[in-house]
Amino acid sequence: AQSVTQLDSQVPVFEEAPVELRCNYSSSVSVYLFWYVQYPNQGLQLLLKYLSGSTLVKGINGFEAEFNKSQTSFHLRKPSVHISDTAEYFCAVIQRTGNQFYFGTGTSLTVIP
Amino acid sequence: EAGVTQFPSHSVIEKGQTVTLRCDPISGHDNLYWYRRVMGKEIKFLLHFVKESKQDESGMPNNRFLAERTGGTYSTLKVQPAELEDSGVYFCASSDRDRGGYTFGSGTRLTVV
Repeated sequence: AQSVTQLDSQVPVFEEAPVELRCNYSSSVSVYLFWYVQYPNQGLQLLLKYLSGSTLVKGINGFEAEFNKSQTSFHLRKPSVHISDTAEYFCAVIQRTGNQFYFGTGTSLTVIP
Repeated sequence: EAGVTQFPSHSVIEKGQTVTLRCDPISGHDNLYWYRRVMGKEIKFLLHFVKESKQDESGMPNNRFLAERTGGTYSTLKVQPAELEDSGVYFCASSDRDRGGYTFGSGTRLTVV
């Protein structure tokens, strides 16, 4: 079975500062990796995904993530955050031959003006 | 194209009552999934339909939960009778064969009092 660990449950950061949200996963098989964002009172929206190819993945709203196979990590980064980035962020994995996502517990990002 | 639609968006019911959640997937998506997030915990898989057939229902918590997808279009998730621990946000997702095309709905927030 897979498990996903998001080490930080809450991350406060000042506007225009950089941010990194950490995600580590455990899996004995190859997986696809995803980051989802949930804005207040909205559903889950795909930020970015890693399926194959370049380990640096760029997503929407200026976010990017890097797949590190040796460290089994998929950390999410943004060089300069905005107030509108305040939301909850979920890391998720799915086996390449599987049918269900395994999610982390989420990281609540709060951008401080 | 229209996204995954879930309703109601919120539901508050008393312990012992019955509630039915509905999910309308993206048109043409054969795969439909239900997930649940209990407060403060990770989003967990409940079950997976391929068209009208249950492909995997290993995540269903107990027999108080019944999911259907008649005709392979929309799906319902019924909880009968509801218990306090059933409170949470229920997400539906649909996809075509490409796992990168997984789309989530905005969720139904269920509160059992």
